[in-house]
Amino acid sequence: SQQGEEDPQALSIQEGENATMNCSYKTSINNLQWYRQNSGRGLVHLILIRSNEREKHSGRLRVTLDTSKKSSSLLITASRAADTASYFCATDWGTGGFKTIFGAGTRLFVKA
Amino acid sequence: NAGVTQTPKFQVLKTGQSMTLQCAQDMNHEYMSWYRQDPGMGLRLIHYSVGAGITDQGEVPNGYNVSRSTTEDFPLRLLSAAPSQTSVYFCASSSSLLTETQYFGPGTRLLVL
Repeated sequence: SQQGEEDPQALSIQEGENATMNCSYKTSINNLQWYRQNSGRGLVHLILIRSNEREKHSGRLRVTLDTSKKSSSLLITASRAADTASYFCATDWGTGGFKTIFGAGTRLFVKA
Repeated sequence: NAGVTQTPKFQVLKTGQSMTLQCAQDMNHEYMSWYRQDPGMGLRLIHYSVGAGITDQGEVPNGYNVSRSTTEDFPLRLLSAAPSQTSVYFCASSSSLLTETQYFGPGTRLLVL
């Protein structure tokens, strides 16, 4: 039973367009993270947003968090072909918050 | 720094065989974890460690053992491989809680026949 669920499962856009991915979770959290995974590679950390934050920016990335709706969104502006990857949200889970649980991911394909 | 390294990159096993997946990090991180990733799915936590000598179970621990004798190394042992353990295995480390930024290794692709 995964805590985070991304939506959509797959997204195809043209280079230069914005890409928005959503994540919903079930229980209260201390923080939420977004990771990127290029095909066949390990995950790379993109951004962490804490439960008392509503929005965070990092370069072309913008993450929002709505704890009342138990949801987060990741916006990639002015997408590039190199942004083609799978994107996962992850939340803390379990007693003491020592564990991280990942969603199934959104596969983003940016066409040049 | 090499970061998080994993060996081997690929492995084929027969049902019932045992093996150890190696993971090492040179960042002096206290927290380390093992995940498996099945096709089209996110990562699922197998075991994790909050420091040398301390390990605990994650979401899917059955069929796997871990130990943490040093800060640097966190091997994952498959006791008796089953086809259901065919997956890609990732090791990760973190300087603080596992729920903070994790650094991932490149993964080990395991096929159990």
